[in-house]
Amino acid sequence: QSVLTQPPSVSGAPGQRVTISCTGSSSNIGAGYDVHWYQQLPGTAPKLLIYGNSNRPSGVPDRFSGSKSGTSASLAITGLQAEDEADYYCQSYDSSLSYVFGTGTKVTVL
Amino acid sequence: EVQLVESGGGLVQPGGSLRLSCAASGFTVRGNYMSWVRQAPGKGLEWVSVINSGGGTTYYADSVKGRFTISRDSSKNTLYLQMNSLRAEDSAVYYCAREVAGWYFDLWGRGTLVTVSS
Repeated sequence: QSVLTQPPSVSGAPGQRVTISCTGSSSNIGAGYDVHWYQQLPGTAPKLLIYGNSNRPSGVPDRFSGSKSGTSASLAITGLQAEDEADYYCQSYDSSLSYVFGTGTKVTVL
Repeated sequence: EVQLVESGGGLVQPGGSLRLSCAASGFTVRGNYMSWVRQAPGKGLEWVSVINSGGGTTYYADSVKGRFTISRDSSKNTLYLQMNSLRAEDSAVYYCAREVAGWYFDLWGRGTLVTVSS
């Protein structure tokens, strides 16, 4: 059961900036645990996009950025491109000794 | 090449059992925390279980506790998920994933599909 809340969908035209929010609680994000983001292209496995709130793994374009504040986090995509059309999930750790994922957000490039 | 390859999925009747395997290459499973994460058709990601690098500590999601067992065979460099008393709601693609310090997953397999249906 997802305990991190994301908007179901966001959309933008090529070149625009879009943001995805991820809202948790005092037992996960608010407890100080980091937030991580994954990109899932259609029909493929998730891929690590952002780790430790704002760090990009090697090979991830700097168009992707992350931030965290309080019990929430956000992912921003600037200069939106057609290949960014995918599902995006946030993830954190919970004090109940479990890993928690967000509900997922579908990004559509208009 | 560093990769994870799952196998063992298939069609099983409610109440049945299935064992999933995840073969690792390019690194050792015993040196890492390893998890199973599942995704029901058209739904989001759900963490299922984790085994620590020592192999002696395991945790499970409440939805599978008492029915699923995670384990590993270091000699085969393989992670397993034994699934018993399967229910329709266990139908999903099951991914194995490598965890790195900081409680996130840096490497995922392609997944194996489990369908629980009569």
